[in-house]
Amino acid sequence: QQPVQSPQAVILREGEDAVINCSSSKALYSVHWYRQKHGEAPVFLMILLKGGEQKGHEKISASFNEKKQQSSLYLTASQLSYSGTYFCGTMGFQGAQKLVFGQGTRLTINP
Amino acid sequence: SAVISQKPSRDICQRGTSLTIQCQVDSQVTMMFWYRQQPGQSLTLIATANQGSEATYESGFVIDKFPISRPNLTFSTLTVSNMSPEDSSIYLCSVQLAGGYEQYFGPGTRLTVT
Repeated sequence: QQPVQSPQAVILREGEDAVINCSSSKALYSVHWYRQKHGEAPVFLMILLKGGEQKGHEKISASFNEKKQQSSLYLTASQLSYSGTYFCGTMGFQGAQKLVFGQGTRLTINP
Repeated sequence: SAVISQKPSRDICQRGTSLTIQCQVDSQVTMMFWYRQQPGQSLTLIATANQGSEATYESGFVIDKFPISRPNLTFSTLTVSNMSPEDSSIYLCSVQLAGGYEQYFGPGTRLTVT
């Protein structure tokens, strides 16, 4: 079942913060975050595993609440390069291999 | 990560014809996947292609329409058969490296069926 992302779209000024949420109705083993710019392939950002730690890379971090089957992606002090569509992909159990992607969140960063 | 290439990058085809899309990876991988992405939409998994076994198709996708080959650990093809305008989409392959769960995507093939 497809995870639900919120919000569907967000517009920010450079330097502002954003949170993108991903929620599933099923138990999750892992949550994967990708960013896709227009006309390009999705780019892997990070993966959060059940029982794992919150991940972060520079000003982008994410959390995974296993009990609520939810994950959140945090973008702090956003840069123009952060613009794009963010997708979460979920894996239901270890060994499932395949990902089910949410509908995406379009993030626009204005100067 | 992995370097993934796809051919062709785009094509315009007539209805009723078939197109074969190639996916090449610069390292050996066990898991390869084929996705479809309609403009402005999410990614939908078509099938999982494992070397040495039949591809596993997702609900709504059948082998007669989307035959897949996986002759070795670095290459796969997806054929879109008997095309109709509804098949117009971006087709992406992705790979999962051994020992990890993250997937890396190829640049995609933009298909337009007229």
